[in-house]
Amino acid sequence: EAQVTQNPRYLITVTGKKLTVTCSQNMNHEYMSWYRQDPGLGLRQIYYSMNVEVTDKGDVPEGYKVSRKEKRNFPLILESPSPNQTSLYFCASSFQGETQYFGPGTRLLVL
Amino acid sequence: GQNIDQPTEMTATEGAIVQINCTYQTSGFNGLFWYQQHAGEAPTFLSYNVLDGLEEKGRFSSFLSRSKGYSYLLLKELQMKDSASYLCAVSADTGGFKTIFGAGTRLFVKA
Repeated sequence: EAQVTQNPRYLITVTGKKLTVTCSQNMNHEYMSWYRQDPGLGLRQIYYSMNVEVTDKGDVPEGYKVSRKEKRNFPLILESPSPNQTSLYFCASSFQGETQYFGPGTRLLVL
Repeated sequence: GQNIDQPTEMTATEGAIVQINCTYQTSGFNGLFWYQQHAGEAPTFLSYNVLDGLEEKGRFSSFLSRSKGYSYLLLKELQMKDSASYLCAVSADTGGFKTIFGAGTRLFVKA
C-alpha cells in the first residue's frame, strides 16, 4: 500500500531534550516536506527536499533541522525543543512537487 | 508578502450546494490545490488547478482565475461526511516545491 508513515504519532517531551520525528514514504517520490499545523494558522512549511541531499527552508525553519540521506526517509530533528514548538506535525511527499500525500501526523507537546 | 485568505467557517444544509472562496497573493504561482481535512486526520487531495477555468470531479468542482488571484471550491449534494476543513494551497514557485496554505475553512453540514 502506497503510504507516508511518521513516528512517533504522539510525543510528550521537556524543553531542551533533543528529539527526532521520522518520516518514510514507499512511493519513490522525489519531493518531501515537513509542515506544522497550529489553530488559526493552517499548515506552515518548515523544510522541504527536492531529492537526496537537496533541502531548503520553508517559511518557519527556525529551531528545526532535516536531512535527506535516502530517497524514502526525511527525518525532522529538534535539537533543543521549546514550548512554542508544541504543534501537530505533518510529513508529505509528492512525485515532483504537485499533489502531496500526507502522513498521519505527529502530535508534539513540549513542556 | 505571501497571503492566502479563505473564510474561517461556513455552515450549510445536507443536500445543498456550498461555495468556498479563496483569494491569494503570492510571489510566484505554479498551481492551486484544494485539500480536505477531517478533524484529527491528515489532509487529502481534492483538486489541482493550473489553468483558468472550472475543473469538475464528481460532486466537487474547483475554479481558478489567475488574473484575479481567486479560486473557489464548489461542493454539490452535500452530505454529512463533507463536514471537514477545506484547505486552499498555492504552489508558489516554478519548481512546485514551495507550498503555501491558507488557514482553512471549517465546513459544518447540518441535517
